[in-house]
Amino acid sequence: SQQGEEDPQALSIQEGENATMNCSYKTSINNLQWYRQNSGRGLVHLILIRSNEREKHSGRLRVTLDTSKKSSSLLITASRAADTASYFCATASGGSYIPTFGRGTSLIVHP
Amino acid sequence: GAGVSQSPSNKVTEKGKDVELRCDPISGHTALYWYRQSLGQGLEFLIYFQGNSAPDKSGLPSDRFSAERTGGSVSTLTIQRTQQEDSAVYLCASSLSRSSYNEQFFGPGTRLTVL
Repeated sequence: SQQGEEDPQALSIQEGENATMNCSYKTSINNLQWYRQNSGRGLVHLILIRSNEREKHSGRLRVTLDTSKKSSSLLITASRAADTASYFCATASGGSYIPTFGRGTSLIVHP
Repeated sequence: GAGVSQSPSNKVTEKGKDVELRCDPISGHTALYWYRQSLGQGLEFLIYFQGNSAPDKSGLPSDRFSAERTGGSVSTLTIQRTQQEDSAVYLCASSLSRSSYNEQFFGPGTRLTVL
């Protein structure tokens, strides 16, 4: 079963706008990771946030983590057409070393 | 090597045939994972290798699926007597070690179509 679930399932925006997608999970985690998957390509790691961190930045990406609500958000600022992809969150819990992936958010950025 | 490579990139087979999918991880990465991704779905964990330890096969959907990793490097996923529901993209990933804090590097995947 899925541990992380992304929301929304699909998001369509104009270039230059910000894109926010969320991930909710069920059990306590050690860390949460976000990955991007472009059409026809493999997944690329974007950012990892540990359970004791609340916010992390990488370029135009901002990730927040609220362990009390068991949720995370990924914000992409000033989106570009090249950001069009599916975005997945992956969580690792307890002693497990196998990240569990959600179904992803499909983002389309219109030029 | 440059990254994780997988072969073939596409495989079309007839129901009932066996297929072998190959994964070459990044050199020096001791952890190797196989996932399956059906159309529009997330990644389904299949099997995990770490060094010389016994693999974690908890995600394999049936006994028709098996995998091995030779010499701690190249891995082969074998599906026997393929069924149409086996059609999916099979992704391989490697990471530096077994820690869940390590980034996974994914290959481009093998798209399997069972007719």
